[in-house]
Amino acid sequence: DQQVKQNSPSLSVQEGRISILNCDYTNSMFDYFLWYKKYPAEGPTFLISISSIKDKNEDGRFTVFLNKSAKHLSLHIVPSQPGDSAVYFCAARQQTGANNLFFGTGTRLTVIP
Amino acid sequence: DVKVTQSSRYLVKRTGEKVFLECVQDMDHENMFWYRQDPGLGLRLIYFSYDVKMKEKGDIPEGYSVSREKKERFSLILESASTNQTSMYLCASTGDRYYGYTFGSGTRLTVV
Repeated sequence: DQQVKQNSPSLSVQEGRISILNCDYTNSMFDYFLWYKKYPAEGPTFLISISSIKDKNEDGRFTVFLNKSAKHLSLHIVPSQPGDSAVYFCAARQQTGANNLFFGTGTRLTVIP
Repeated sequence: DVKVTQSSRYLVKRTGEKVFLECVQDMDHENMFWYRQDPGLGLRLIYFSYDVKMKEKGDIPEGYSVSREKKERFSLILESASTNQTSMYLCASTGDRYYGYTFGSGTRLTVV
């Protein structure tokens, strides 16, 4: 059963506009959430994270919002740039266990110049 | 910076061959993982290991085995490669004090 879901497999946005990538989760015991970015033929790289005790974390053009009551998080990229075109994976961490990170299926973002 | 190194970026193997994918990390991480990534299916966990000589099945272990003889090295073995194992294979590692995983650059395996 998929505990972390990214319901939009793809998203296209004009350069300079805002990109909003969404992620939903089912397990209320998750304590940390991360976004990874993946270019073709490369491994995913960490982008930004947020603790479950916060509702917003910002890093430059990237902001992650967490709505615990809705079990929903989103990644905002403003302004979007062509170099942001990649697959974005949402991940959620549970506190216990060696295999404690659960990934969504990814959203492919295309930023159109 | 943590480095996770996968030995090959691209591999082409024949059906029925035994295939070894190697992964080495340099940060003394306890936990190591093998995933495969396929379009529309995201990252699917094949096997993971939480200590030397310890291994646990992930979501899709069929057709694969693993070996962890040393803490820094985690090998994925395709006993008899098949065309449906054509995929991007990603190794990752993490330690107890880390919040997320560090991934290698991936191995694109094509089985013909």
